[in-house]
Amino acid sequence: DAGVTQSPTHLIKTRGQQVTLRCSPKSGHDTVSWYQQALGQGPQFIFQYYEEEERQRGNFPDRFSGHQFPNYSSELNVNALLLGDSALYLCASSSAKSGTANYGYTFGSGTRLTVV
Amino acid sequence: AQKITQTQPGMFVQEKEAVTLDCTYDTSDQSYGLFWYKQPSSGEMIFLIYQGSYDEQNATEGRYSLNFQKARKSANLVISASQLGDSAMYFCAMREGRGYKLSFGAGTTVTVRA
Repeated sequence: DAGVTQSPTHLIKTRGQQVTLRCSPKSGHDTVSWYQQALGQGPQFIFQYYEEEERQRGNFPDRFSGHQFPNYSSELNVNALLLGDSALYLCASSSAKSGTANYGYTFGSGTRLTVV
Repeated sequence: AQKITQTQPGMFVQEKEAVTLDCTYDTSDQSYGLFWYKQPSSGEMIFLIYQGSYDEQNATEGRYSLNFQKARKSANLVISASQLGDSAMYFCAMREGRGYKLSFGAGTTVTVRA
């Protein structure tokens, strides 16, 4: 049973460029959340998608946008990249049917984005 | 204000010994959940244990137990019989009320010595 799959695993971009990161949720999960983890810090919540809509958003600028597809997979887009966007981007999936309680969140291994 | 505080940046523990990782939290919600995750160098967040705010018993999962002290707003993780494979970063996280996001602490690096 595949867990959460993220692609690509590593990415190098130049300041000002745009990037798209992809996430396939765990089988049976319908909700996808994105987190940004800067080096040496804990993950910060970017947003969550459910039923193809953004359900909750963290404190991130509009340069960060997302999308969820009918098959529950999701994309994270970041425009006008800044050096400070360099981080590990983690995707977590869960099932709305099981609620948001306890062990519902399954994380992927992340995409490491470096902005130069 | 920080939602989750982990005051130990790094810890060393001898193999087969127990280690306690501290976590304090701040919320005004009566309903919340507390999580511990392990993050090895590969980057994946691995779920370890969960404690709900209304759970009266401390959570246990194998070698992991959570020392939940609600009045003190602390949720410390205890790892018993440490193994070399336990060397990783450990994060405490909280989900508040009916929200969907997890708020994470800064993490504690655990290094297990043979």
